Amino acid sequence: KNQVEQSPQSLIILEGKNCTLQCNYTVSPFSNLRWYKQDTGRGPVSLTIMTFSENTKSNGRYTATLDADTKQSSLHITASQLSDSASYICVVSDSGGSYIPTFGRGTSLIVHP
Amino acid sequence: DTAVSQTPKYLVTQMGNDKSIKCEQNLGHDTMYWYKQDSKKFLKIMFSYNNKELIINETVPNRFSPKSPDKAHLNLHINSLELGDSAVYFCASSFGQSEKLFFGSGTQLSVL
Repeated sequence: KNQVEQSPQSLIILEGKNCTLQCNYTVSPFSNLRWYKQDTGRGPVSLTIMTFSENTKSNGRYTATLDADTKQSSLHITASQLSDSASYICVVSDSGGSYIPTFGRGTSLIVHP
Repeated sequence: DTAVSQTPKYLVTQMGNDKSIKCEQNLGHDTMYWYKQDSKKFLKIMFSYNNKELIINETVPNRFSPKSPDKAHLNLHINSLELGDSAVYFCASSFGQSEKLFFGSGTQLSVL
């Protein structure tokens, strides 16, 4: 059964600090992995996509990594800002034709001034 | 212009009532979805339509009936609402399956 596990469940950091969110998956055969950011009261928005051949990808202060061997991904946020407070959701799609991406339960990040 | 728009934003109703949530996307996508987000923020897929055809129906009670009049619209009708239906419902769209999802801003349904 395809599964996506995220850790930590929640995280509180001070503005300006860095943090790393983790995602472990058992989705097979792997197609791609996306990180979404969901602000309170809004729908999730895609931050980045990782395919099998990609190890690292950056989008501004967000850097995603992928280790396809260990089936792990991380999202690193540099120099956090108050606007980074949100839920970050890891979503993994398979290439086996299920057409149902597997969602993680998200990490709730709170950035304090 | 909003890419995926759903209405209403908030819906408060009594148990047993019937209600509808509307969704429209102006991105030209061929696939639309309905997701339910529970109190623990977990997003669970309910339905997926590709070119107006139902392709995913994930063990959702038949009180929930999606309707896609065209590729740009996917409405959700709920009969005989129950307390457990209270949640935030998100509409989304994409180009094909397993592609980037564009979400609406959600409809918070409260059943009293």
